[in-house]
Amino acid sequence: ILNVEQSPQSLHVQEGDSTNFTCSFPSSNFYALHWYRWETAKSPEALFVMTLNGDEKKKGRISATLNTKEGYSYLYIKGSQPEDSATYLCAFLDSGYALNFGKGTSLLVTP
Amino acid sequence: EAGVVQSPRYKIIEKKQPVAFWCNPISGHNTLYWYRQNLGQGPELLIRYENEEAVDDSQLPKDRFSAERLKGVDSTLKIQPAELGDSAVYLCASSADSRGYTFGSGTRLTVV
Repeated sequence: ILNVEQSPQSLHVQEGDSTNFTCSFPSSNFYALHWYRWETAKSPEALFVMTLNGDEKKKGRISATLNTKEGYSYLYIKGSQPEDSATYLCAFLDSGYALNFGKGTSLLVTP
Repeated sequence: EAGVVQSPRYKIIEKKQPVAFWCNPISGHNTLYWYRQNLGQGPELLIRYENEEAVDDSQLPKDRFSAERLKGVDSTLKIQPAELGDSAVYLCASSADSRGYTFGSGTRLTVV
């Protein structure tokens, strides 16, 4: 079991605020880093799959960066909306096939 | 295209009772995973199948948990007997490769 750390554990922001979360993971045997958005009672939704050091990906107001040499990834949300409220999970994939998840960051956006 | 389908969505049972969860993966996805998420934790792998073969079950508590994937399609995860500590969300996922994981909506188990 690989150690994947996410911070903060929870976050409460106002609508319109921008925010970011951190995911740290082992820097050895890196294969891919996945970000998921998980709303209660729904399926975890894939946001990004990142494989190359320096990768930057964007999906609407959400973007992510990857540093495989130092073992961290940032997820940014610009202009948070109440519908962004969810748990954001990162998962590290080494040379195996199973994802190793962090505990997630729980985001609450209030109007 | 239908996603990964899991049933039931919710299950409440008394301790020492058996329980089973069912998963129907995306058509053509050879790899199937069962994860368990305890409250406040990230999902943890229980078992991974490649077609009908369990290739990684090192984290499956084999004294009370069992799983099968007949014909390499649907899968069933069973707990017998259930304990209070088994209360969790049980997630099924499937993939065709390491990029394309798709998760079901999970089964929330409460053992009382």
